[in-house]
Amino acid sequence: QKEVEQNSGPLSVPEGAIASLNCTYSDRGSQSFFWYRQYSGKSPELIMFIYSNGDKEDGRFTAQLNKASQYVSLLIRDSQPSDSATYLCAVFRSGSARQLTFGSGTQLTVLP
Amino acid sequence: SQTIHQWPATLVQPVGSPLSLECTVEGTSNPNLYWYRQAAGRGLQLLFYSVGIGQISSEVPQNLSASRPQDRQFILSSKKLLLSDSGFYLCAWNGGKGDQPQHFGDGTRLSIL
Repeated sequence: QKEVEQNSGPLSVPEGAIASLNCTYSDRGSQSFFWYRQYSGKSPELIMFIYSNGDKEDGRFTAQLNKASQYVSLLIRDSQPSDSATYLCAVFRSGSARQLTFGSGTQLTVLP
Repeated sequence: SQTIHQWPATLVQPVGSPLSLECTVEGTSNPNLYWYRQAAGRGLQLLFYSVGIGQISSEVPQNLSASRPQDRQFILSSKKLLLSDSGFYLCAWNGGKGDQPQHFGDGTRLSIL
């Protein structure tokens, strides 16, 4: 079992729809959770981070964390073609000596 | 505000040649520094991380090495490049005890011929 798992996609949604990206993790001691967006050929860019159970909203983005079920998700409302990118989930595990573990990413395409 | 600089942006090197990639961070002190490699269509692989000057931890045995000669400078090196060293190399930093978000430089795309 991978430590951080994401559906590789591709995930396609029409413009204006809600895109839902999911991530599961294996270590119950995980403490901090991050979502990065990576455009093709570019470096990852931090979108959201969440530390506590529940929802965290920032503009069109909402991160949801459920530690009991060991998943974290990212919702993108009113999806735009400019949201088309690969989304990386990253998890900080206790005792991991300052390391993040990244999922392999979900490729999202927003269709105009 | 903090910024991270990474260069060069692209590099084409022959097999067996040496390598030196440099990363510097501005606007913060005592950052945690990281080197990642991303193969085409793949996830991020942590290569090295450093929590202070001269302190390097290696995650993957390979022909690469890293050094941190100054607080905000992180260097990735190789004496002899292999074809398998091709990829997108990313430097990142964060503060605190590692639970803070990591911020990435623009990356170096390395092609080995």
